[in-house]
Amino acid sequence: QVQLQESGPGLVKPSETLSLTCSVSGGSINNYFCTWLRQSAGKGLEWIGRMYVSGNTIYNPSLKSRVTMSIDTSKNQFALRLTSVTAADTAVYYCATNPLLHLGDLSAWGQGTLVTVSS
Amino acid sequence: DIQMTQSPSSLSASVGDRVTITCRASQDIRNDLGWYQQKPGQAPKRLIYAAISLQSGVPSRFSGSGSGTDFTLTISGLQPEDFATYYCLQHFSNPFTFGQGTKLEIK
Repeated sequence: QVQLQESGPGLVKPSETLSLTCSVSGGSINNYFCTWLRQSAGKGLEWIGRMYVSGNTIYNPSLKSRVTMSIDTSKNQFALRLTSVTAADTAVYYCATNPLLHLGDLSAWGQGTLVTVSS
Repeated sequence: DIQMTQSPSSLSASVGDRVTITCRASQDIRNDLGWYQQKPGQAPKRLIYAAISLQSGVPSRFSGSGSGTDFTLTISGLQPEDFATYYCLQHFSNPFTFGQGTKLEIK
């Protein structure tokens, strides 16, 4: 059973860059689609983007200009960068995965990490 | 973007009841839909995938139906641990989108 754990700063200043990492255990990241999502009181659950180790990446168009996702296979981790953050980016951020060739999406989730944007 | 309209937004029910939650997609999404349960302070947990398939380990009182634009999550014989918020998610097209959630409360 794959397990996921998000890590990163809980407080980011406005206009700066939010950076989070998701550590994957119990399975090779080469075998999964890797997804980032967030949840805020104002906007509910929001899908940020998904990538695969091959570099095939899709981003939510509403965030595409500010988002970069990456994968480090040597560490079995994937990462999220969100630039030029504002208070609207305050949310609980989740990483999630789904095995390749399996039906559906988001079969495993991290516990989530709260990121607050504030000076 | 595909809009997922979920109803009701809240629901009161008793242990043992049968409840139904619906999601309507703004366009045909085939069967690219999942249902998720979220309890306070926890990440969502997948219950149903491909509209009708039960996630391994999820009790059989949960079931999903539908395809195209109309989908249903049914819980037959509510248990105390089922009181939570439920979401649908379409992964047919980018951006993947969630319903706004249904909060299931104890009557």
